[in-house]
Amino acid sequence: DVVMTQTPVSLSVAIGQPASISCKSSQSLVGTSGKTYLNWLLQRPGQSPKRLIYLVSKLDSGIPDRFSGSGSETDFTLKISRVEADDLGVYYCLQGTHFPDTFGAGTKLELK
Amino acid sequence: QVQLKESGPGLVQPSRTLSLTCTVSGFSLTSYGVSWVRQPPGKGLEWIAAIWSGGSTDYNSALKSRLSISRDTSKSQVLLKMNSLQTEDTAMYFCARYPLFDYWGQGVMVTVSS
Repeated sequence: DVVMTQTPVSLSVAIGQPASISCKSSQSLVGTSGKTYLNWLLQRPGQSPKRLIYLVSKLDSGIPDRFSGSGSETDFTLKISRVEADDLGVYYCLQGTHFPDTFGAGTKLELK
Repeated sequence: QVQLKESGPGLVQPSRTLSLTCTVSGFSLTSYGVSWVRQPPGKGLEWIAAIWSGGSTDYNSALKSRLSISRDTSKSQVLLKMNSLQTEDTAMYFCARYPLFDYWGQGVMVTVSS
């Protein structure tokens, strides 16, 4: 199975400051179609996960452009340009290129 | 709008069989698949199984011998069965639209205990 390694495990950020989360995969996530099936999810406390970004960098509907995704092959990054209170929770990367789908262990974003 | 809702027993005895249902609305099970994902208390997410829009199924290899996923398209329901339950199976169980993971249910907590 593809191992997804997220860093850091936790992140403490003040409101208005940027945040960055890294996700590295144990093998390339470029599929046979040429597409890279890398998603970012946010799980707020007590809620189910919510997809924020798909195909590395495409924002889901309603997701503010403070969020951005980048990367290629095995190295991916989620950035929040200015953290807001609503952003706290656990962020997961998820790959869907290789069977089975696998998740990173999560990065907990806390407010400083 | 797209919705998924899980249902099932909150408490199951060890060695028994768990049956969970995911009822969907706002999309057809013949157009999109459904996956089950679980999350033990305080831990991360684990993909368990999926049924594709065409009806084919996939399972987590570590759990495959204990799992069965099926669907009833007339009821817009996906059913997950897991047998030989152990305390380590205690978790929140989510269903999600597959393979996109763009919509998730609220989850159902399953506790395995005597």
